Amino acid sequence: TAGITQAPTSQILAAGRSMTLRCTQDMRHNAMYWYRQDLGLGLRLIHYSNTAGTTGKGEVPDGYSVSRANTDDFPLTLASAVPSQTSVYFCASSEMLGSNIQYFGAGTRLSVL
Amino acid sequence: DQQVKQNSPSLSVQEGRISILNCDYTNSMFDYFLWYKKYPAEGPTFLISISSIKDKNEDGRFTVFLNKSAKHLSLHIVPSQPGDSAVYFCAASIQGGSEKLVFGKGTKLTVNP
Repeated sequence: TAGITQAPTSQILAAGRSMTLRCTQDMRHNAMYWYRQDLGLGLRLIHYSNTAGTTGKGEVPDGYSVSRANTDDFPLTLASAVPSQTSVYFCASSEMLGSNIQYFGAGTRLSVL
Repeated sequence: DQQVKQNSPSLSVQEGRISILNCDYTNSMFDYFLWYKKYPAEGPTFLISISSIKDKNEDGRFTVFLNKSAKHLSLHIVPSQPGDSAVYFCAASIQGGSEKLVFGKGTKLTVNP
């Protein structure tokens, strides 16, 4: 079982450019999440989705947008990247929002120059 | 305001000895706690959890202890193995609601052969 698939695995992006990080799950989980991991700051929630068609803001949503057109896909878009968005991004899912065990993808390492 | 705190950024232990990773929380509403393990270039994976109705949960070499009055939990690994070397994240949530997981900043464990 693939679980959570993220693409690309890594990317170098020029500041000001846009980019979409892709996330697909095959577990039919209702809830999905995007985190960023930065040294010394741990995992911080960017956006989440309770179910297809609904999204919500996490702890650090500025500069990011998400959509949830269907159950399986939860893309994260940076409309105009800035160097402070250099980070490792993790997508996760859980059966429901509030279901405690989340399952993570392998991450996307993004460098904004 | 950091609701889940892991005050030790790193820990080094000799193979065969006990590793103790600590986590403190401030929100008394939290009633479910999890530990995640993360290897480099991989996503976090669920390790063990504990509900607030218990004070101990054991799974093989891993035991989590919860002290509700002190708002403190710890993860014990006995005996420690080099393959346990990873970053360990503590997380907390409120069961049954729509609350998301709140993660600590992580502790990097190194088990020396």
